[in-house]
Amino acid sequence: GAGVSQSPRYKVAKRGQDVALRCDPISGHVSLFWYQQALGQGPEFLTYFQNEAQLDKSGLPSDRFFAERPEGSVSTLKIQRTQQEDSAVYLCASNTGQGFGELFFGEGSRLTVL
Amino acid sequence: AQKVTQAQTEISVVEKEDVTLDCVYETRDTTYYLFWYKQPPSGELVFLIRRNSFDEQNEISGRYSWNFQKSTSSFNFTITASQVVDSAVYFCALGSYNNNDMRFGAGTRLTVKP
Repeated sequence: GAGVSQSPRYKVAKRGQDVALRCDPISGHVSLFWYQQALGQGPEFLTYFQNEAQLDKSGLPSDRFFAERPEGSVSTLKIQRTQQEDSAVYLCASNTGQGFGELFFGEGSRLTVL
Repeated sequence: AQKVTQAQTEISVVEKEDVTLDCVYETRDTTYYLFWYKQPPSGELVFLIRRNSFDEQNEISGRYSWNFQKSTSSFNFTITASQVVDSAVYFCALGSYNNNDMRFGAGTRLTVKP
């Protein structure tokens, strides 16, 4: 499709399990962002890529969170040893990288850690 | 530090009423961008508008209008003659020219009743 695609849409994990969330941005979009949205809250910035380079990872809450974008298109957000507080919707967004244009968001991956 | 405050957590109106969603921001940057996004129940954030800090002209798009006032650091959003389809969570966001960290407010849940 033409939009940002995220998978899985829903993921239930037991505490301690590792999870991987995938984001397929709009074709040709240079910039890719990950956000975490807790229930009833606004999205919180996690990390940002320009092509394959991770330029900002200041929002990652701990070293259990890791993101990559090895070929400058698809990105994976990995959470190791999940904890209950990791339960949230993880949103991916992309844009052309020119100026500060609008971000195009995917529908998110809802993670529930039991 | 950058911060966005949406003081109204929830608003409920009856169809055809006008409604204004408030947004107050804080930033030390002289160049910045302000956004409004709509998040319907499907979860995907839908871009509504972007304004840069040098353009204080108010904007109208159909039933939507935005009032940007630098003097009060506010960027309020008005929906005229609301409709049931306007029911969603609305987020105000602030982006810095110097980085790609877009800060979102906590959102305002708007319910429009028939």
